[in-house]
Amino acid sequence: AQSVTQLGSHVSVSEGALVLLRCNYSSSVPPYLFWYVQYPNQGLQLLLKYTSAATLVKGINGFEAEFKKSETSFHLTKPSAHMSDAAEYFCAVSPPGQAGRRALTFGSGTRLQVQP
Amino acid sequence: ETGVTQSPTHLIKTRGQQVTLRCSSQSGHNTVSWYQQALGQGPQFIFQYYREEENGRGNFPPRFSGLQFPNYSSELNVNALELDDSALYLCASSKQGSGELFFGEGSRLTVL
Repeated sequence: AQSVTQLGSHVSVSEGALVLLRCNYSSSVPPYLFWYVQYPNQGLQLLLKYTSAATLVKGINGFEAEFKKSETSFHLTKPSAHMSDAAEYFCAVSPPGQAGRRALTFGSGTRLQVQP
Repeated sequence: ETGVTQSPTHLIKTRGQQVTLRCSSQSGHNTVSWYQQALGQGPQFIFQYYREEENGRGNFPPRFSGLQFPNYSSELNVNALELDDSALYLCASSKQGSGELFFGEGSRLTVL
């Protein structure tokens, strides 16, 4: 069975500071990994995905994540936080292969606050 | 290109009632998944439909059922509603091989 652990249910940063949201996964085989963002009262939007190509993945809005197999991690980073980044962020994992036809297992989420 | 649309956006039911939630998938997508997101938690997989057949199911009881239609739209039905069924229900569509789910904005169900 696969699982995802997001360390820190709440993260607060100052505008312009580095954003680091942590995600560790558990899987018997290298999975596909995703980061989604959810703004209040909205659905989820894909930020980026890792599907066994380059280990450093660049996404939308300046976010990126690095797949580290040795650490079973897929942490999300952004060099400089913007007020509009305030939202809930979810890390998710799925079995490899048959992309789009596999269920996602989500972490419990990290709420990012950006202070002016 | 029309995105994933869900209806209704909000609804209130009482315990024991039944509810049907609807989802129109994004154009060209043949797979629909449903997720339940309780307050303060991550989404949990309910089931997935591919070419009108259930293609996987999470840890939800049989009173959660679904359908997918020839146009790839979908319904989620929940019978004998319980208080713990109160949640945001998210529909997501995808195209085989894309590796990306496109989510709707959800239907928020409150069970009193």
